[in-house]
Amino acid sequence: NAGVTQTPKFQVLKTGQSMTLQCAQDMNHNSMYWYRQDPGMGLRLIYYSASEGTTDKGEVPNGYNVSRLNKREFSLRLESAAPSQTSVYFCASSQKGTSGFSSTDTQYFGPGTRLTVL
Amino acid sequence: AQSVTQLDSHVSVSEGTPVLLRCNYSSSYSPSLFWYVQHPNKGLQLLLKYTSAATLVKGINGFEAEFKKSETSFHLTKPSAHMSDAAEYFCVVSGDRGSTLGRLYFGRGTQLTVWP
Repeated sequence: NAGVTQTPKFQVLKTGQSMTLQCAQDMNHNSMYWYRQDPGMGLRLIYYSASEGTTDKGEVPNGYNVSRLNKREFSLRLESAAPSQTSVYFCASSQKGTSGFSSTDTQYFGPGTRLTVL
Repeated sequence: AQSVTQLDSHVSVSEGTPVLLRCNYSSSYSPSLFWYVQHPNKGLQLLLKYTSAATLVKGINGFEAEFKKSETSFHLTKPSAHMSDAAEYFCVVSGDRGSTLGRLYFGRGTQLTVWP
């Protein structure tokens, strides 16, 4: 049981390049999330998915797209990377879905992807 | 709207002395509150959570937190710090209504340093 896994662990891009960050969970969770972490800012929600086939914007969605490929996998795409997207990206998952969203639901986090855009 | 404020960006303690990490929250309704820990270059791990049951919540590794509604606080404590406690700690509140339901709102983090 690996929990939440993310690939790659590190990535360096040039401005304007594109890339996709991959996330998978093996806990049969319904909901998945993408966050970015910047120094002194805590984590901020980019996008989330309450169930397979649905996605919603979080606090900072601009410049990103997501795909909920199936129940296990949730990818984050940067179409044209910018230096402002240099950050550490975390994927998370939780049990509940749209019909049963709960404020008590615990989110489980992956190890993160450290992205640098030059 | 939900938010949390971590009152200290850095806390330093000596090994074996008590730890206090302070957090105040803002929420329109009865909140769910969490503390997560992040060790260097690692993901986030749940320490404990409050979900309107007992106001004193015990977590892993000897940490506990007390929910005080009158003070809108949820401070994290540990009686005796260990070197392995050195990490960044995040206080988190969960949205409990409408479009915010289940979404997490993070504080800016408190970096805990433990001196030998």
